Amino acid sequence: DIQMTQSPSSLSASVGDRVTISCRASQSIASYLNWYHQKPGKAPKLLIYAASSLQSGVPSRFSGSGSGTDFTLTISSLQPEDFATYYCQQTYSTPPYTFGQGTKLEIK
Amino acid sequence: QITLKESGPTLVKPTQTLTLTCTFSGFSLFTSGVGVGWIRQPPGKALEWLALIYWDDEKRYSPSLESRLTIARDTSENQVVLTMTKMDPVDTGTYYCTHFDRTMFRGALEYWGQGTLVTVSS
Repeated sequence: DIQMTQSPSSLSASVGDRVTISCRASQSIASYLNWYHQKPGKAPKLLIYAASSLQSGVPSRFSGSGSGTDFTLTISSLQPEDFATYYCQQTYSTPPYTFGQGTKLEIK
Repeated sequence: QITLKESGPTLVKPTQTLTLTCTFSGFSLFTSGVGVGWIRQPPGKALEWLALIYWDDEKRYSPSLESRLTIARDTSENQVVLTMTKMDPVDTGTYYCTHFDRTMFRGALEYWGQGTLVTVSS
């Protein structure tokens, strides 16, 4: 299986801050990397697919970068609705399509 | 409009078999590249990928759970069924079904069901 490791596991930040979350794959996954966020009691929501493509309707303050094994999600200016848990997921080649362990973004 | 909805028991006893149904609409499971998958999430923990069934009836499972999982489709009812044997309290969590399309978004999961909470307890 391809293992996905996110860092940090948790993060405190303020509204307006720039935030980056990292995700590392245990082997190259080209650009088959997706980012989701999840709010309590809700299903995850797709933010970024194929490492850097913004899903329709997602604010432009979200951006993704990387390829191979190292990826980054950046939120350029945090808004109150962005406080959630963020997950990366690889969809490279064949399943299992593993997730990272999550990064909880909290209000400072 | 693509929608998915999970259904099944909210409480199962240890050692029992769990059967969950995903009822979907807005797409065909006969379309090349399309699939329906299952993902679960223990309370307060991370998402865990479980299984996927493709348009051609190919099935894929999490290696760590493969011996306990079966995924199957009922094409006449637009449903996908997941069974998990030998349930244990550690299997407690919310189970989600998802739409998968290899040709769109490189397989990223845009459409999710609302999830169903399954508790394993005697």
